[in-house]
Amino acid sequence: GAVVSQHPSWVICKSGTSVKIECRSLDFQATTMFWYRQFPKQSLMLMATSNEGSKATYEQGVEKDKFLINHASLTLSTLTVTSAHPEDSSFYICSARDGAGGAHGANVLTFGAGSRLTVL
Amino acid sequence: AQSVSQHNHHVILSEAASLELGCNYSYGGTVNLFWYVQYPGQHLQLLLKYFSGDPLVKGIKGFEAEFIKSKFSFNLRKPSVQWSDTAEYFCAVNTGGFKTIFGAGTRLFVKA
Repeated sequence: GAVVSQHPSWVICKSGTSVKIECRSLDFQATTMFWYRQFPKQSLMLMATSNEGSKATYEQGVEKDKFLINHASLTLSTLTVTSAHPEDSSFYICSARDGAGGAHGANVLTFGAGSRLTVL
Repeated sequence: AQSVSQHNHHVILSEAASLELGCNYSYGGTVNLFWYVQYPGQHLQLLLKYFSGDPLVKGIKGFEAEFIKSKFSFNLRKPSVQWSDTAEYFCAVNTGGFKTIFGAGTRLFVKA
């Protein structure tokens, strides 16, 4: 079945540095990828929608300059947290939508395992 | 704006008990509805989905969900839970675009 690989699974960085998280679809072409942020005991908050070859669409309240998203190919999207601060510490999850519909059909998301970011 | 509401944040059941997790959404148009599950240490995966047709849908591991359009609900059910059903369950709604909105999740703990 469809697999999404997310890397790294856990990263610790110093305040002020930038961190890049990769999201790859391993066996399908992901025309659209989504980045979510999950706070403890809360739901997944959609941050942005990433479309291959075009600019990402950010949700209201999400800083575009802080969370840079690049979807350079049909199998790779990256999220860069720039000048990270402790309040950016969170669990970031990517998901991908199979452009060809996939085994489950359109609009079914395949999730990566998530990346836990800790900013000291 | 669309939203998804899950009624219970935590549920504790004994094995063989019946399960029903509530989910309501706010959107007046056509929807695709999903339940995703996250087992401990694993990533989110699809449990079942509703796109159209029979409002009672069956998923993996004996789960089913019923879409009641008049109530804007998509409750998840299982007649007899097992210890291995311990997980977090998320209800999600797609309103025809690419965006999928998630509920806050319900943590189910099944006592052996």
